[in-house]
Amino acid sequence: AQKVTQAQTEISVVEKEDVTLDCVYETRDTTYYLFWYKQPPSGELVFLIRRNSFDEQNEISGRYSWNFQKSTSSFNFTITASQVVDSAVYFCALSPGYQKVTFGIGTKLQVIP
Amino acid sequence: DTEVTQTPKHLVMGMTNKKSLKCEQHMGHRAMYWYKQKAKKPPELMFVYSYEKLSINESVPSRFSPECPNSSLLNLHLHALQPEDSALYLCASSQDSAAVTGELFFGEGSRLTVL
Repeated sequence: AQKVTQAQTEISVVEKEDVTLDCVYETRDTTYYLFWYKQPPSGELVFLIRRNSFDEQNEISGRYSWNFQKSTSSFNFTITASQVVDSAVYFCALSPGYQKVTFGIGTKLQVIP
Repeated sequence: DTEVTQTPKHLVMGMTNKKSLKCEQHMGHRAMYWYKQKAKKPPELMFVYSYEKLSINESVPSRFSPECPNSSLLNLHLHALQPEDSALYLCASSQDSAAVTGELFFGEGSRLTVL
Protein backbone atom coordinates (compact mmCIF):
# COMPACT_ATOMS: atom_id res chain seq x y z
CA ALA A 1 0.00 0.00 0.00
CA GLN A 2 1.13 3.51 -0.70
CA LYS A 3 0.57 6.57 1.40
CA VAL A 4 1.51 10.22 1.11
CA THR A 5 1.27 12.46 4.15
CA GLN A 6 1.27 16.22 3.98
CA ALA A 7 0.93 17.24 7.59
CA GLN A 8 0.50 20.95 6.86
CA THR A 9 -3.02 21.54 5.60
CA GLU A 10 -2.71 25.34 5.43
CA ILE A 11 0.23 27.70 5.60
CA SER A 12 0.24 31.48 5.48
CA VAL A 13 3.38 33.48 4.87
CA VAL A 14 4.13 37.07 4.12
CA GLU A 15 5.47 37.82 0.68
CA LYS A 16 9.23 37.36 0.32
CA GLU A 17 9.40 34.85 3.16
CA ASP A 18 10.74 31.38 2.48
CA VAL A 19 8.38 28.46 3.04
CA THR A 20 8.86 24.69 3.12
CA LEU A 21 6.10 22.24 2.36
CA ASP A 22 6.60 18.84 3.92
CA CYS A 23 5.87 15.48 2.31
CA VAL A 24 6.39 12.06 3.84
CA TYR A 25 5.62 8.92 1.90
CA GLU A 26 5.25 5.20 2.51
CA THR A 27 5.77 2.48 -0.05
CA ARG A 28 7.03 -1.08 -0.22
CA ASP A 29 8.20 -0.68 -3.78
CA THR A 30 11.90 -0.32 -4.42
CA THR A 31 11.22 1.65 -7.58
CA TYR A 32 8.86 4.57 -7.33
CA TYR A 33 8.35 8.12 -8.49
CA LEU A 34 7.60 11.22 -6.50
CA PHE A 35 5.92 14.33 -7.79
CA TRP A 36 4.85 17.78 -6.75
CA TYR A 37 1.86 19.43 -8.38
CA LYS A 38 0.46 22.93 -7.94
CA GLN A 39 -3.29 23.58 -8.12
CA PRO A 40 -4.13 27.27 -8.47
CA PRO A 41 -7.71 28.47 -7.97
CA SER A 42 -8.41 27.89 -11.67
CA GLY A 43 -8.44 24.17 -10.96
CA GLU A 44 -5.90 22.46 -13.19
CA LEU A 45 -3.00 20.70 -11.56
CA VAL A 46 0.36 21.83 -12.85
CA PHE A 47 3.30 19.47 -12.77
CA LEU A 48 6.33 20.88 -10.96
CA ILE A 49 8.83 18.06 -10.56
CA ARG A 50 9.37 14.32 -10.74
CA ARG A 51 11.98 12.31 -8.83
CA ASN A 52 12.63 8.59 -9.10
CA SER A 53 13.66 6.51 -6.14
CA PHE A 54 17.22 6.10 -7.41
CA ASP A 55 17.91 9.77 -7.75
CA GLU A 56 18.37 11.51 -4.42
CA GLN A 57 20.00 14.53 -5.90
CA ASN A 58 18.34 17.70 -4.73
CA GLU A 59 17.08 20.07 -7.36
CA ILE A 60 16.73 23.80 -7.66
CA SER A 61 14.62 25.54 -10.25
CA GLY A 62 14.53 29.28 -9.83
CA ARG A 63 12.87 30.01 -6.51
CA TYR A 64 11.83 26.37 -6.09
CA SER A 65 13.95 23.64 -4.54
CA TRP A 66 13.30 20.07 -3.55
CA ASN A 67 14.97 17.94 -0.90
CA PHE A 68 14.57 14.18 -1.36
CA GLN A 69 15.77 11.98 1.49
CA LYS A 70 15.09 8.25 1.23
CA SER A 71 16.38 7.68 4.76
CA THR A 72 13.46 9.64 6.15
CA SER A 73 11.04 8.96 3.26
CA SER A 74 10.62 12.65 2.73
CA PHE A 75 10.37 14.84 -0.34
CA ASN A 76 10.11 18.42 0.84
CA PHE A 77 9.52 21.48 -1.30
CA THR A 78 10.88 24.94 -0.53
CA ILE A 79 9.82 28.19 -2.11
CA THR A 80 12.33 30.98 -1.62
CA ALA A 81 11.20 34.61 -1.53
CA SER A 82 7.54 33.67 -1.89
CA GLN A 83 5.25 35.69 -4.14
CA VAL A 84 1.50 36.17 -4.19
CA VAL A 85 1.33 34.09 -7.38
CA ASP A 86 2.61 31.14 -5.38
CA SER A 87 -0.71 31.00 -3.54
CA ALA A 88 -2.22 27.64 -4.42
CA VAL A 89 -2.74 24.13 -3.15
CA TYR A 90 0.37 22.00 -3.50
CA PHE A 91 0.10 18.23 -3.79
CA CYS A 92 2.83 15.72 -3.23
CA ALA A 93 2.24 12.47 -5.10
CA LEU A 94 3.69 8.98 -5.36
CA SER A 95 3.58 6.44 -8.17
CA PRO A 96 4.86 2.85 -8.16
CA GLY A 97 5.69 3.07 -11.83
CA TYR A 98 2.37 2.11 -13.34
CA GLN A 99 -0.66 4.20 -13.93
CA LYS A 100 -1.80 4.74 -10.35
CA VAL A 101 -0.73 7.95 -8.68
CA THR A 102 -1.45 8.50 -5.00
CA PHE A 103 -1.84 12.13 -4.00
CA GLY A 104 -1.35 13.60 -0.57
CA ILE A 105 -4.15 15.67 0.90
CA GLY A 106 -2.49 18.87 -0.23
CA THR A 107 -1.12 21.95 1.48
CA LYS A 108 -2.90 25.23 0.87
CA LEU A 109 -0.36 28.02 0.72
CA GLN A 110 -1.46 31.59 1.10
CA VAL A 111 1.10 34.31 0.41
CA ILE A 112 0.03 37.59 1.91
CA PRO A 113 1.22 40.76 0.20
CA ASP B 1 -3.34 27.83 -21.42
CA THR B 2 -3.76 24.18 -20.55
CA GLU B 3 -3.25 21.69 -23.38
CA VAL B 4 -6.00 19.46 -22.06
CA THR B 5 -9.40 20.94 -22.72
CA GLN B 6 -12.45 19.98 -20.74
CA THR B 7 -16.06 20.89 -21.42
CA PRO B 8 -18.26 22.02 -19.91
CA LYS B 9 -16.51 23.94 -17.15
CA HIS B 10 -19.65 23.88 -15.05
CA LEU B 11 -22.58 21.48 -15.12
CA VAL B 12 -25.69 21.33 -13.00
CA MET B 13 -27.88 18.28 -13.39
CA GLY B 14 -30.73 16.53 -11.73
CA MET B 15 -30.54 12.98 -10.50
CA THR B 16 -32.53 11.69 -13.47
CA ASN B 17 -30.57 13.52 -16.15
CA LYS B 18 -28.08 12.06 -18.58
CA LYS B 19 -25.09 14.24 -19.37
CA SER B 20 -21.52 13.87 -20.58
CA LEU B 21 -18.20 15.43 -19.75
CA LYS B 22 -15.70 15.78 -22.55
CA CYS B 23 -11.94 15.95 -22.62
CA GLU B 24 -9.60 16.55 -25.52
CA GLN B 25 -5.84 16.59 -25.92
CA HIS B 26 -3.71 17.00 -29.03
CA MET B 27 -0.30 16.23 -27.59
CA GLY B 28 -0.23 12.70 -28.97
CA HIS B 29 -0.47 11.24 -25.50
CA ARG B 30 -1.51 7.60 -25.31
CA ALA B 31 -2.91 7.48 -21.79
CA MET B 32 -5.87 9.46 -20.52
CA TYR B 33 -7.34 9.61 -17.05
CA TRP B 34 -10.44 10.69 -15.16
CA TYR B 35 -10.00 11.93 -11.61
CA LYS B 36 -12.64 13.05 -9.14
CA GLN B 37 -11.83 15.75 -6.62
CA LYS B 38 -14.06 16.74 -3.75
CA ALA B 39 -13.56 20.06 -2.00
CA LYS B 40 -10.38 20.22 0.07
CA LYS B 41 -9.48 16.67 -0.93
CA PRO B 42 -6.85 15.27 -3.27
CA PRO B 43 -7.75 13.97 -6.70
CA GLU B 44 -8.92 10.37 -6.73
CA LEU B 45 -8.34 8.17 -9.75
CA MET B 46 -11.47 6.85 -11.45
CA PHE B 47 -10.44 5.46 -14.84
CA VAL B 48 -7.38 5.08 -17.03
CA TYR B 49 -7.37 4.51 -20.77
CA SER B 50 -4.24 3.31 -22.44
CA TYR B 51 -4.15 3.18 -26.23
CA GLU B 52 -7.91 3.76 -26.23
CA LYS B 53 -8.59 0.73 -24.06
CA LEU B 54 -9.78 0.85 -20.49
CA SER B 55 -6.87 -0.32 -18.35
CA ILE B 56 -7.93 0.75 -14.88
CA ASN B 57 -11.36 1.12 -13.30
CA GLU B 58 -11.09 1.99 -9.65
CA SER B 59 -14.37 0.28 -8.74
CA VAL B 60 -16.35 3.29 -9.91
CA PRO B 61 -20.17 2.96 -9.78
CA SER B 62 -21.78 2.14 -13.10
CA ARG B 63 -23.61 5.46 -13.15
CA PHE B 64 -20.25 6.77 -14.43
CA SER B 65 -19.46 5.37 -17.86
CA PRO B 66 -16.19 6.30 -19.57
CA GLU B 67 -15.60 6.24 -23.29
CA CYS B 68 -12.51 6.82 -25.39
CA PRO B 69 -13.64 7.30 -29.02
CA ASN B 70 -10.09 7.97 -30.23
CA SER B 71 -6.67 8.75 -28.86
CA SER B 72 -7.46 12.44 -28.45
CA LEU B 73 -10.87 12.26 -26.85
CA LEU B 74 -12.16 11.02 -23.55
CA ASN B 75 -15.76 11.20 -22.41
CA LEU B 76 -17.44 10.52 -19.10
CA HIS B 77 -21.12 9.71 -19.42
CA LEU B 78 -23.23 10.49 -16.37
CA HIS B 79 -26.58 8.95 -15.54
CA ALA B 80 -28.68 8.76 -12.39
CA LEU B 81 -26.11 10.53 -10.29
CA GLN B 82 -26.44 11.27 -6.61
CA PRO B 83 -25.84 14.60 -4.86
CA GLU B 84 -22.68 13.14 -3.31
CA ASP B 85 -21.26 12.84 -6.82
CA SER B 86 -20.95 16.62 -6.95
CA ALA B 87 -17.27 17.34 -7.40
CA LEU B 88 -14.60 18.64 -9.72
CA TYR B 89 -13.89 16.08 -12.44
CA LEU B 90 -10.40 16.33 -13.82
CA CYS B 91 -9.15 14.85 -17.03
CA ALA B 92 -5.44 14.19 -17.50
CA SER B 93 -3.16 12.69 -20.09
CA SER B 94 0.35 11.35 -20.11
CA GLN B 95 2.80 10.53 -22.83
CA ASP B 96 3.78 7.33 -21.10
CA SER B 97 1.06 4.75 -21.51
CA ALA B 98 2.57 1.93 -19.55
CA ALA B 99 3.79 3.66 -16.47
CA VAL B 100 3.40 6.99 -14.81
CA THR B 101 7.03 7.90 -14.89
CA GLY B 102 6.37 11.20 -16.45
CA GLU B 103 4.14 14.07 -15.74
CA LEU B 104 0.40 14.17 -15.97
CA PHE B 105 -1.14 17.00 -17.92
CA PHE B 106 -4.40 18.09 -16.37
CA GLY B 107 -7.33 20.05 -17.70
CA GLU B 108 -9.03 22.73 -15.63
CA GLY B 109 -11.81 20.37 -14.74
CA SER B 110 -15.56 20.23 -15.00
CA ARG B 111 -17.34 21.29 -11.83
CA LEU B 112 -20.40 19.12 -11.47
CA THR B 113 -23.33 19.85 -9.19
CA VAL B 114 -26.03 17.21 -8.79
CA LEU B 115 -29.31 18.47 -7.41
